[in-house]
Amino acid sequence: EVQLLESGGDLVQAGESLRLSCATSGFTFKNSVLSWVRQAPGKGLEWVSAVGGSGDNVQSADSVQGRFTISRDKSKNTLYLQMNNLRVEDTAVYYCAKVHVGYYDSSGYFDFWGPGTLVTVSS
Amino acid sequence: QSALTQPRSVSGSPGQTVTISCTGTSTDVGDSNYVSWYQHHPGKAPKLRIYDVSERPSGVPDRFSGSKSGNTAFLTISGLQTEDEADYYCCSYGGSYTWVFGGGTKLTVL
Repeated sequence: EVQLLESGGDLVQAGESLRLSCATSGFTFKNSVLSWVRQAPGKGLEWVSAVGGSGDNVQSADSVQGRFTISRDKSKNTLYLQMNNLRVEDTAVYYCAKVHVGYYDSSGYFDFWGPGTLVTVSS
Repeated sequence: QSALTQPRSVSGSPGQTVTISCTGTSTDVGDSNYVSWYQHHPGKAPKLRIYDVSERPSGVPDRFSGSKSGNTAFLTISGLQTEDEADYYCCSYGGSYTWVFGGGTKLTVL
């Protein structure tokens, strides 16, 4: 059974840093693309960042580019999101998701999700 | 990329059929066969309902179906059940590990 469980959410001040973790199990971690998606209060889902199986192919949304860094540790089957210089508008529930990507980058969708962790940034 | 456009809310009675639209542009939905749909009950993990426009993952009831016409994708839920009441999001894959979501639609089962 595929499982993803986020942790690390907290209440922080604007300008501070926070690192989220996502512990995974039930699938071959080293081969899987993983991603972070967030949902601000009263808003919809927003894709944040994704990382390839080897860890060297990384993409991030413009809204977090230069401030957030996604990474993975294959020895711990864990995904991370390092969030620096946090802003009030980064307040959201952050979800970790396993991604299915087809051959030759055909298709891409989030097939399993964690329950999320809440990050609150105060001014 | 701008968020895809969805109606804020739709509603239907048990047993009825509802359709949720998801409108993008010729550079995302219109140019992609990689539209997916997610069901989200508040406080829970989102669940994949449709991928690649019209494909249904194993275990998802065949009451859920997807289609696309031009720049607009559709999620249709037939034989509405009370447990279908949730928020629904469309999503378009832009390639190279990038995605854009729709704004979400709240489905109310009356």
